[in-house]
Amino acid sequence: EPEVTQTPSHQVTQMGQEVILRCVPISNHLYFYWYRQILGQKVEFLVSFYNNEISEKSEIFDDQFSVERPDGSNFTLKIRSTKLEDSAMYFCASSRSSGGGETQYFGPGTRLLVL
Amino acid sequence: AQSVTQPDIHITVSEGASLELRCNYSYGATPYLFWYVQSPGQGLQLLLKYFSGDTLVQGIKGFEAEFKRSQSSFNLRKPSVHWSDAAEYFCAVAGTGGFKTIFGAGTRLFVKA
Repeated sequence: EPEVTQTPSHQVTQMGQEVILRCVPISNHLYFYWYRQILGQKVEFLVSFYNNEISEKSEIFDDQFSVERPDGSNFTLKIRSTKLEDSAMYFCASSRSSGGGETQYFGPGTRLLVL
Repeated sequence: AQSVTQPDIHITVSEGASLELRCNYSYGATPYLFWYVQSPGQGLQLLLKYFSGDTLVQGIKGFEAEFKRSQSSFNLRKPSVHWSDAAEYFCAVAGTGGFKTIFGAGTRLFVKA
């Protein structure tokens, strides 16, 4: 069964450093998403991406964040200058189409720790 | 405002006992409802989803959920819990035209022998 994969599974970085989190969505999916989960808190939507542009973003997704689909398979989340509060589990998801009826398939997550 | 409420932060049940996890939602339009499960250190796995039609939906691992529009609820049930069901369970809602899924805070299930 196809699945969303994410690398790395864990990343530790120093405050102020740039990090890039990588995701490989399911191959025939067209919509891509990033969510985050701060330890002990709910999963929060960050951004959705379709046709090489952002479709929707939350208030969390400020100028420090960017997303990119650099090639036909990868989908990345970049945090330009990490802050302590960026420490969280970051989940990538993908879906065939948009709309609430379409299931988003989640990857296993990347746990980011900012020191 | 769109929101999902899971009133129980954690629940403990005995193995073999029945389970019901509560979920209430607030959504202005027709909601699409989901239950996800997250085992420790793992990603989110879809248990079941409701779009329309029969208000009782069956999912994987023996779970089911019932949509009650009048109560704005989508409670998850399982008749007999197994120790492997110990995990965090998230209720979620999405809209017809939106891109994002809104999650509840989760309910952690503990299973005792």
